[in-house]
Amino acid sequence: QVQLVQSGAEVKKPGASVKVSCKASGYTFTGYYMHWVRQAPGQGLEWMGRINPNSGGTNYAQKFQGRVTMTRDTSISTAYMELSRLRSDDTAVYYCARAPQVVAATDYWGQGTLVTVSS
Amino acid sequence: EIVMTQSPATLSVSPGEVATFSCRASQTVSSNLAWYQQKPGQAPRLLIFGASTRATGIPARFSGSGSGTEFTLTISSLQSEDFAVYYCQQYNNWPRTFGQGTKVEIK
Repeated sequence: QVQLVQSGAEVKKPGASVKVSCKASGYTFTGYYMHWVRQAPGQGLEWMGRINPNSGGTNYAQKFQGRVTMTRDTSISTAYMELSRLRSDDTAVYYCARAPQVVAATDYWGQGTLVTVSS
Repeated sequence: EIVMTQSPATLSVSPGEVATFSCRASQTVSSNLAWYQQKPGQAPRLLIFGASTRATGIPARFSGSGSGTEFTLTISSLQSEDFAVYYCQQYNNWPRTFGQGTKVEIK
């Protein structure tokens, strides 16, 4: 069955970087786009960007341009999202989610990774 | 970017009743609209894509309609497990954008 398993919770200081991983199983990793979405405590969902695991091509939300980097390692079917220059308002649960095509909804989601930014 | 507006923010419904709520896009998204359900402490779950197609394993009591800028999600007979927050998302344009959510609570 399809599974997206994310790395564990992180606590970071302001100004630091965090790298969250998302390991895929149960399907062909390079056949689906991987999106990243975050959710601040008690808030709604915010789309951050996506990566094409086949080509490595990315699209990022303007808000995160220059701070976010999405990469993948096809040999281990894992996608990564790195966010730099962390601020307190980056405290959120970060989700990876796959989509079958360029224009498609995300059908399977990871369990989420809580990133806490605090001095 | 396309702004997605959901209404109402909260809907109080009794089990067995019908729940209907809306999502409006600031510009057309064709039928590239999805609905997600999220329960506390869980990841969102895809319910509807293409505005009206149920995702795998989603019960028939969930139905979606609309195209362009106006969309509706209907739950025909609310079950206890349906009390949750529902989000719409457009995937027609970059960046992908979500509505702010509708919370369905027990009346």
